[in-house]
Amino acid sequence: DVKVTQSSRYLVKRTGEKVFLECVQDMDHENMFWYRQDPGLGLRLIYFSYDVKMKEKGDIPEGYSVSREKKERFSLILESASTNQTSMYLCASSLYTGPYNEQFFGPGTRLTVL
Amino acid sequence: SQQGEEDPQALSIQEGENATMNCSYKTSINNLQWYRQNSGRGLVHLILIRSNEREKHSGRLRVTLDTSKKSSSLLITASRAADTASYFCATGHTGANSKLTFGKGITLSVRP
Repeated sequence: DVKVTQSSRYLVKRTGEKVFLECVQDMDHENMFWYRQDPGLGLRLIYFSYDVKMKEKGDIPEGYSVSREKKERFSLILESASTNQTSMYLCASSLYTGPYNEQFFGPGTRLTVL
Repeated sequence: SQQGEEDPQALSIQEGENATMNCSYKTSINNLQWYRQNSGRGLVHLILIRSNEREKHSGRLRVTLDTSKKSSSLLITASRAADTASYFCATGHTGANSKLTFGKGITLSVRP
C-alpha cells in the first residue's frame, strides 16, 4: 500500500514564524501536491510538483513556497506565518503525470497560527 | 472556477438505507473521482470514472456520469454507520495533467 506521511498531526506556531511542513511518500510517485482545507471551501491546491526540483503554482500559492529536493519528499514552507494560514494542510501524491490518476493522501497537519 | 459542486451539502439517513450524492461541474473533464474523508483524516480514493464511461461499480458503490449534463452521482447501497464521513468529487480536466479540482464535499451521517 502507498503510504504518505506528514511530519506533524498538530502544529501551533506564532505569527511571523517560519514554518516547515514535510511530506514523504514511499511508492516512487512522480507527482506530489499540497492542499489546504477550510470549512465551507473544500480543498484548494497550493502547489504541486511533477518531478524533483520542479514545481507549479496551484490556486492559492500566495504566502507559501515549496521544495522538492528528493523524489519522495515535498516540503511546504510558510515564510512568515499569519493567522489566516490557520488551516488543515493535506499532502497527496500520484503515480505519474497524466490523467486517470488517483491521489493518495497523508493524514493531514492541523496548523494553528496564534 | 472549474470546481465541482456537490449536492446536498449534508445528508442524514438510517443504517440500511441507500445514500445518493450528486456532483456537478462546469467544464469538460477527462475523468471524475470520488473520495471519502473520515473526520480529521486525509482523503481516501473510492472510485474513478472516465469521461467515456457512463456507470461504474465497486462493492456497494455505484457511480454514474452524464457528460451532457455535466453531472455525476455516487450511490452507496445498504449504508452502514461506518460510512459516516465527508464525500468529495474531484474532476480531472484536459491539459491539467494530474491535477484534480475538488468540490466542497458532502457530509453523510448514517444513524445506527
